Amino acid sequence: KQEVTQIPAALSVPEGENLVLNCSFTDSAIYNLQWFRQDPGKGLTSLLLIQSSQREQTSGRLNASLDKSSGRSTLYIAASQPGDSATYLCASHAGGTSYGKLTFGQGTILTVHP
Amino acid sequence: NAGVTQTPKFQVLKTGQSMTLQCAQDMNHEYMSWYRQDPGMGLRLIHYSVGAGITDQGEVPNGYNVSRSTTEDFPLRLLSAAPSQTSVYFCASSYSWDSSYEQYFGPGTRLTVT
Repeated sequence: KQEVTQIPAALSVPEGENLVLNCSFTDSAIYNLQWFRQDPGKGLTSLLLIQSSQREQTSGRLNASLDKSSGRSTLYIAASQPGDSATYLCASHAGGTSYGKLTFGQGTILTVHP
Repeated sequence: NAGVTQTPKFQVLKTGQSMTLQCAQDMNHEYMSWYRQDPGMGLRLIHYSVGAGITDQGEVPNGYNVSRSTTEDFPLRLLSAAPSQTSVYFCASSYSWDSSYEQYFGPGTRLTVT
């Protein structure tokens, strides 16, 4: 059974720092990995989707990488801003007969202070 | 496009009452699913549908029913509410259950069962 772990559970940084959020998974037979952002009391906003055939994806100040062999994905946020404060979730998709099921990590709570 | 919409935003039920959580999407997505989010448990899949008329159980289906008569709508029914069903419920959709496609989430319904 796939298990997804996110480290650290919480992170507090000053504005302007570059930071890395980590996501590890136990079963490397994943088809893709998706990163989400969740603001307090809100839904999940998709940030990046990395296919298993890709090594990384970029969107603005965000860069996500995927290393299936080591069972790891990282989300890199450049020049962090207070508006980046949120919970960041990663989710793996096993493909095949999992029929779209996402397995989520517990999330990293990010606080960027001015 | 409105994306994925959910109603109501908040609901309080008494034990034993029934209700339906509504979910709709206007992106012509084949795949729709329901998750619940609980502290310490993360997001867990309740039911999913790979197309109109086709539904199946996820990880935690007990106490919930679904049906999918149209592509756009995927309601979740609580048959006899229990305090253990107090949670935040999210509906998600994707173009297909295939792992190539990003999944989009609604804003959530916060349910309290007393």
